[in-house]
Amino acid sequence: SQQGEEDPQALSIQEGENATMNCSYKTSINNLQWYRQNSGRGLVHLILIRSNEREKHSGRLRVTLDTSKKSSSLLITASRAADTASYFCATDAGNQGAQKLVFGQGTRLTINP
Amino acid sequence: EPEVTQTPSHQVTQMGQEVILRCVPISNHLYFYWYRQILGQKVEFLVSFYNNEISEKSEIFDDQFSVERPDGSNFTLKIRSTKLEDSAMYFCASRPFSGTSGGKYFGPGTRLLVL
Repeated sequence: SQQGEEDPQALSIQEGENATMNCSYKTSINNLQWYRQNSGRGLVHLILIRSNEREKHSGRLRVTLDTSKKSSSLLITASRAADTASYFCATDAGNQGAQKLVFGQGTRLTINP
Repeated sequence: EPEVTQTPSHQVTQMGQEVILRCVPISNHLYFYWYRQILGQKVEFLVSFYNNEISEKSEIFDDQFSVERPDGSNFTLKIRSTKLEDSAMYFCASRPFSGTSGGKYFGPGTRLLVL
């Protein structure tokens, strides 16, 4: 079974618009995290939401988590060209010490100036 | 801001050769990880390391792979006899906390190409 599947696979919007990406998963989780990856670069941690949280904000980022639907969304408000990147959700479902993350396929976000 | 560093950035090797990928995690972190990303595919967990031993490993992490923290600062991934399918970007990551708090800090990756 696949864990952490994002949709859409690709999203292209105009600068200033909001971007919403969704993630679904299959098992119970400890937390869900969102990462950004610029082309050919490493992963940058954006935000973590625990299984007992429903919404979290960080700057222009807003993350929601619905454990009953096993889904999460990442909203980027007032997008900028520099937000162009791939965005991955990752679920932590293992033993709490190891924090083994299972990544989704990612959403490729393009912000057009 | 402290960051995870990895060397080399690129490595080309012949099938069957041994490679060692090196990482310097952030100094006060407790947990260390290796992940890999085959081109066009998902980032996959390989192994986690805590208190000088492997705490969890994936099915990918077979006997060909080993990890070591030889000197308290470096964290290495060794692939004993590389295969074509080992070609991927390998990411090291570290984390300061135990439990469920805190995300990971990833390094920039080593792109490994096996010919």
